[in-house]
Amino acid sequence: RKEVEQDPGPFNVPEGATVAFNCTYSNSASQSFFWYRQDCRKEPKLLMSVYSSGNEDGRFTAQLNRASQYISLLIRDSKLSDSATYLCVVNDDYKLSFGAGTTVTVRA
Amino acid sequence: NAGVTQTPKFQVLKTGQSMTLQCAQDMNHEYMSWYRQDPGMGLRLIHYSVGAGITDQGEVPNGYNVSRSTTEDFPLRLLSAAPSQTSVYFCASSTTRSTDTQYFGPGTRLTVL
Repeated sequence: RKEVEQDPGPFNVPEGATVAFNCTYSNSASQSFFWYRQDCRKEPKLLMSVYSSGNEDGRFTAQLNRASQYISLLIRDSKLSDSATYLCVVNDDYKLSFGAGTTVTVRA
Repeated sequence: NAGVTQTPKFQVLKTGQSMTLQCAQDMNHEYMSWYRQDPGMGLRLIHYSVGAGITDQGEVPNGYNVSRSTTEDFPLRLLSAAPSQTSVYFCASSTTRSTDTQYFGPGTRLTVL
């Protein structure tokens, strides 16, 4: 079983729509969680950390559910520039485990 | 600051050849790491270093060597290239711990024929 699993998508949404997707992790002792964004053929960049109480950064909301071992990312009022692959990253004992990514395409 | 730089951007090798992928950072980061990214898979950790003179193996270290003689540089050596090493390689650095924000280089696209 993969340590971090994501729905690969793609999620095709119109501009202005809300899109949400989850990521599950296998290690219940995982300590911290992140979402990274990766544009086509580019390097990953940190989008946001995920805190136990949930957190927002502008149009992006991240949630953590430790009981069910998943984290989620919600994007409100989608922009064309949100088109990217979103990588779920989990810290297992100071080693980062990456999901394969969820691809989001926002269309005009 | 240039951030994290990698060279070359693209490379084609024949099976059995050796080469070194270069990685440098100018942010005075202690922690550096190498990942490979293959289609349908997450980034996988090859080797990492917590400071100059200290390296350790990650998830997929076979066929690769690293060294860390300075804080700035962390080269990855392919000893005898195999087609299974065809991948995109990313170098990353962070302030201290692996859990700090990772800053990635632009990647090296390697094809082994």
